[in-house]
Amino acid sequence: AQSVTQLDSHVSVSEGTPVLLRCNYSSSYSPSLFWYVQHPNKGLQLLLKYTSAATLVKGINGFEAEFKKSETSFHLTKPSAHMSDAAEYFCVVSDGSNDYKLSFGAGTTVTVRA
Amino acid sequence: NAGVTQTPKFQVLKTGQSMTLQCAQDMNHNSMYWYRQDPGMGLRLIYYSASEGTTDKGEVPNGYNVSRLNKREFSLRLESAAPSQTSVYFCASSVTGVLALFGSGTRLTVV
Repeated sequence: AQSVTQLDSHVSVSEGTPVLLRCNYSSSYSPSLFWYVQHPNKGLQLLLKYTSAATLVKGINGFEAEFKKSETSFHLTKPSAHMSDAAEYFCVVSDGSNDYKLSFGAGTTVTVRA
Repeated sequence: NAGVTQTPKFQVLKTGQSMTLQCAQDMNHNSMYWYRQDPGMGLRLIYYSASEGTTDKGEVPNGYNVSRLNKREFSLRLESAAPSQTSVYFCASSVTGVLALFGSGTRLTVV
């Protein structure tokens, strides 16, 4: 069985300051992990993915995430938030036994203050 | 533009009515999915199709049926809509299980 816990339902940051979105996972196998972003009234867009290569993964729009097996975490960060980063973010895990059955976290809503 | 197209974007149904949500992708992806999104619950998989001619149940299949009409199209049918099926529905496609493309969603309200 696999599951994902996003530790913050809502994060508020000022423009130009760092963003940290926390994600913990559980998996019976070597997991693949993903972060997706959803802007209002839009579908989800893949930000980045970890599939057992480098533990520090760089994604689009300046985001990156670090896979820490010992902590079962896959936190998403960005050094400097932009107004366009206001959106909902989902952490997703696949346990590798069945790529078709992904488990989604409940989501973190990011607000960016001017 | 290439991508996943869902129709309709909005729909209101009365309890007991039926309807079909349509999804088409033009990326030549093998796999297609239907998810529902409810507040505070992320996305939950309803059905998926690993390839043309195959379909499998996901996490929440009850009350739904699907058809993989061809490689491009994957439809979701509600035979007898219930208020619990009020949700936002997303179709997605992929090549290797990494969900590459999502449609813009169908907002369904069942009254």
